[in-house]
Amino acid sequence: GNSVTQMEGPVTLSEEAFLTINCTYTATGYPSLFWYVQYPGEGLQLLLKATKADDKGSNKGFEATYRKETTSFHLEKGSVQVSDSAVYFCALSEGKGAQKLVFGQGTRLTINP
Amino acid sequence: EAQVTQNPRYLITVTGKKLTVTCSQNMNHEYMSWYRQDPGLGLRQIYYSMNVEVTDKGDVPEGYKVSRKEKRNFPLILESPSPNQTSLYFCASSLFGDLGIQYFGAGTRLSVL
Repeated sequence: GNSVTQMEGPVTLSEEAFLTINCTYTATGYPSLFWYVQYPGEGLQLLLKATKADDKGSNKGFEATYRKETTSFHLEKGSVQVSDSAVYFCALSEGKGAQKLVFGQGTRLTINP
Repeated sequence: EAQVTQNPRYLITVTGKKLTVTCSQNMNHEYMSWYRQDPGLGLRQIYYSMNVEVTDKGDVPEGYKVSRKEKRNFPLILESPSPNQTSLYFCASSLFGDLGIQYFGAGTRLSVL
């Protein structure tokens, strides 16, 4: 079946550092890819998405590019802030209407001032 | 305000005592889903519903029941909870065909003693 693998956490960075969180996937067909973010005590919320190869999703300074040749969707941000501290989930959609989300295990990010 | 509301947010119970976690959305979404979140495993789908009176098993349905009598509500029922159902539970909803863009509740932390 389809699956998503994220880099192990936790990740700790200083404010203004460059961030990369790796995500690779295994899928039949051409799923859409997502990054969701979970702030402390809250539910997940969509951060960005890409629906086809070479698409770049972006939001709040975060970016990720759908790379079909390497089956990857790495999350990047040029200069992180303390407010970016959260758990980040990579996911792909599958199933009827592409409704079902398959999640990676999540990566906890902590940004120190 | 568009939202998915879960209740209760926290619950401690004992083995075998039936419980229900409610979920309600005010966005007229067709699709609703329940996930459980466990450390190192990400989110795993328990049950989902494509519309009223249409429900189906996700990846980890054992020990859970759901119903979808109204479009806005999708309760999760644990008939006889066991300690291995101690977890963080999320309800989510989306428009059918919205390619995996889901809106999540704030979560219910359940402890079964």
